[in-house]
Amino acid sequence: GAGVSQSPSNKVTEKGKDVELRCDPISGHTALYWYRQSLGQGLEFLIYFQGNSAPDKSGLPSDRFSAERTGGSVSTLTIQRTQQEDSAVYLCASSLLGAARDNEQFFGPGTRLTVL
Amino acid sequence: RKEVEQDPGPFNVPEGATVAFNCTYSNSASQSFFWYRQDCRKEPKLLMSVYSSGNEDGRFTAQLNRASQYISLLIRDSKLSDSATYLCVVNIWSDGKLIFGQGTTLQVKP
Repeated sequence: GAGVSQSPSNKVTEKGKDVELRCDPISGHTALYWYRQSLGQGLEFLIYFQGNSAPDKSGLPSDRFSAERTGGSVSTLTIQRTQQEDSAVYLCASSLLGAARDNEQFFGPGTRLTVL
Repeated sequence: RKEVEQDPGPFNVPEGATVAFNCTYSNSASQSFFWYRQDCRKEPKLLMSVYSSGNEDGRFTAQLNRASQYISLLIRDSKLSDSATYLCVVNIWSDGKLIFGQGTTLQVKP
């Protein structure tokens, strides 16, 4: 079946512009996660959705970052007034259940964001 | 201190070698443990879960030591295709999220 999809795959923007990144999770997966990965670095947790609610927003780096999820499916991550340090690969993942023992997360291919 | 720490490497080994990676975690409330694999410029994928009793999947063996709060991954008879970054991951069930280590890079040479 279809995996997690993300769009766009690449985004180049100018400093100060807003960007919107989209994630389509695997159908039926209740939990959705956003991560950021800078070059040569590990995954940095940003936010987690269980259904449409976000019980954990602790990873959002600043108030320029926001995310929403509608209909328990598609999620968008919005970055306002982008800065060069926002350049990274933004990865979305989904899992069948949230807090579960074998909480395998399935990742999308990511959106590579470059802020000039 | 990072919640999950790994030696970033790189580990350069010849084909056929046995290589081991270790990882330590700081939160004793961690309840589930995993190794994910990430190929260059690709997304991470689950390699295997790690259980207290230790578990094996072909050439891969994972071990968990809760008392010392470390996790290991052993790869036997390394193949060129094993070249990747291996991410140590822990989960606290009440949090629902996974905490990833920085990853250990493995390069298997002919």
